[in-house]
Amino acid sequence: DTAVSQTPKYLVTQMGNDKSIKCEQNLGHDTMYWYKQDSKKFLKIMFSYNNKELIINETVPNRFSPKSPDKAHLNLHINSLELGDSAVYFCASSGQADTQYFGPGTRLTVL
Amino acid sequence: KQEVTQIPAALSVPEGENLVLNCSFTDSAIYNLQWFRQDPGKGLTSLLLIQSSQREQTSGRLNASLDKSSGRSTLYIAASQPGDSATYLCAAGAGSYQLTFGKGTKLSVIP
Repeated sequence: DTAVSQTPKYLVTQMGNDKSIKCEQNLGHDTMYWYKQDSKKFLKIMFSYNNKELIINETVPNRFSPKSPDKAHLNLHINSLELGDSAVYFCASSGQADTQYFGPGTRLTVL
Repeated sequence: KQEVTQIPAALSVPEGENLVLNCSFTDSAIYNLQWFRQDPGKGLTSLLLIQSSQREQTSGRLNASLDKSSGRSTLYIAASQPGDSATYLCAAGAGSYQLTFGKGTKLSVIP
């Protein structure tokens, strides 16, 4: 009965590869997010989707492309991975009450 | 551009003490203010959310206050326990569901 789930939990890959991280929420929320937490633990929003529409797109390289096939899913695809992409990526969702619920995170390591 | 600062960066207290964590934000035009807890290697857990029209929220041993005019929020933890040890993050909510996070306060409660 996990509220927000992400797969995979760990992702180790070589520079230049393309990878995807999947996120699913079973809370019936309309809004989903992707955050990046860097090595200094600073958490910053990357994207926000409301009812499958992009509403926030912070200064993120266009190598990062979010895709929302339906309201319960928001996947993150990353092309041409770079060393600086190594971080923990969190998915989150929120409903009418505004409280954001976070997934467990995906630790991405680019070698 | 909103900036959120949390002081101190780390705090160590003996079990049973009451403590206060501080959060300040530069733009008072916030939609809400949220406090989260992050355990090592885990995602974020929402603790309290204060809407911009509210002054405080309480949940069990936790009490969060909000003073928009001065750009400050505090999280008060009563009768601290070792299980409270974690990193506490403050986030200022703006329109379009966007949260701006502080860098967190790492709390250690010593038995």
